[in-house]
Amino acid sequence: SQQGEEDPQALSIQEGENATMNCSYKTSINNLQWYRQNSGRGLVHLILIRSNEREKHSGRLRVTLDTSKKSSSLLITASRAADTASYFCATDGSGGGADGLTFGKGTHLIIQP
Amino acid sequence: EAGVAQSPRYKIIEKRQSVAFWCNPISGHATLYWYQQILGQGPKLLIQFQNNGVVDDSQLPKDRFSAERLKGVDSTLKIQPAKLEDSAVYLCASSPGTPGVPWNFGPGTRLTVT
Repeated sequence: SQQGEEDPQALSIQEGENATMNCSYKTSINNLQWYRQNSGRGLVHLILIRSNEREKHSGRLRVTLDTSKKSSSLLITASRAADTASYFCATDGSGGGADGLTFGKGTHLIIQP
Repeated sequence: EAGVAQSPRYKIIEKRQSVAFWCNPISGHATLYWYQQILGQGPKLLIQFQNNGVVDDSQLPKDRFSAERLKGVDSTLKIQPAKLEDSAVYLCASSPGTPGVPWNFGPGTRLTVT
């Protein structure tokens, strides 16, 4: 079963605008990761936020984590056409690093030029 | 460093045929995972290896899927016989096995069963 659920399932915005994607999960986690997947390609790691962190930045990416609500958000600022991709959140369960990552269904982001 | 390698990149077979996928993880990564990603869905874990031992294969359809990781390095995933619903991208990932360290995914093998 899939732990995370991304929202929205699809998002289309104009280049230069900000894109926000949300992720909700069900069980306790060690950390939460966001991945990007371009069409027909593998998954690329974007950012990891640990369960004791609330916010993390990496370039144009900002991730927040609210463990009380079991939710996370990914913000991409000043979007570019190259950001068009599917974005997945994945949780690493509290069983430790030996657990597999559990992925949501993803948000398909389209950046219109 | 070289990434996770997978082959073939694409495969088309008829139902009831057999197919095998190969994965070469990043050197030194103890943990290796196989994921199945059906179109429009997120990846689903099939099997997890720690070195050459299986840690979790609870979601592997063992009547038709098998996987091995010889000598704790390369891994193969086999489907025999294939069904139409096996059409998906099969992703291999590796990690050092340390909590909080990002994983590395291969480019995947796109399987089409006709």
